[in-house]
Amino acid sequence: GENVEQHPSTLSVQEGDSAVIKCTYSDSASNYFPWYKQELGKGPQLIIDIRSNVGEKKDQRIAVTLNKTAKHFSLHITETQPEDSAVYFCAAASWGKFQFGAGTQVVVTP
Amino acid sequence: DTEVTQTPKHLVMGMTNKKSLKCEQHMGHRAMYWYKQKAKKPPELMFVYSYEKLSINESVPSRFSPECPNSSLLNLHLHALQPEDSALYLCASSRDRDTGTEAFFGQGTRLTVV
Repeated sequence: GENVEQHPSTLSVQEGDSAVIKCTYSDSASNYFPWYKQELGKGPQLIIDIRSNVGEKKDQRIAVTLNKTAKHFSLHITETQPEDSAVYFCAAASWGKFQFGAGTQVVVTP
Repeated sequence: DTEVTQTPKHLVMGMTNKKSLKCEQHMGHRAMYWYKQKAKKPPELMFVYSYEKLSINESVPSRFSPECPNSSLLNLHLHALQPEDSALYLCASSRDRDTGTEAFFGQGTRLTVV
């Protein structure tokens, strides 16, 4: 079966600094890699995704990189703001089955 | 519109009760999903429907019974649940099951079994 590891489990950053979350996956059939942000009491919100034929994607302060050979993908948040505080989940997907990482609690302190 | 609507938002039920969770989307998505999420854990896949047919059941106990009446609606019927079934139940939808399509989640139903 598929396994996704996510690190770190918690991340505390000063406002304005960058945050990086890393994931690795094991199933070579995975070729879609979304990132979700989940605030307390809410459902996961898709914030960015990347497909296997792309190495990097950026959307304003958020970027994702993918190394298919090494089976690594990462989320980068620049110029962090207090509203970026949440739990972030990476996922690796194949044929409708999304395998999630364990999550990273990000705390942005003013 | 990327909205997936779940009702109710909160549900408390006894172990002998029968209740249903509902999920609706109007994005024309043909794949719909039920996930279970315990506190401080990632979502765990329960069921996947593709074109209104059940395509994945992740060995979920029979006290959880999914139903897809049409392409916009997804139900989860609950019967004889246990306290350990208390969790956030999330519905999601995507254009189809093919790899590479975004999945959008609802806000979830917070279920408490007493």
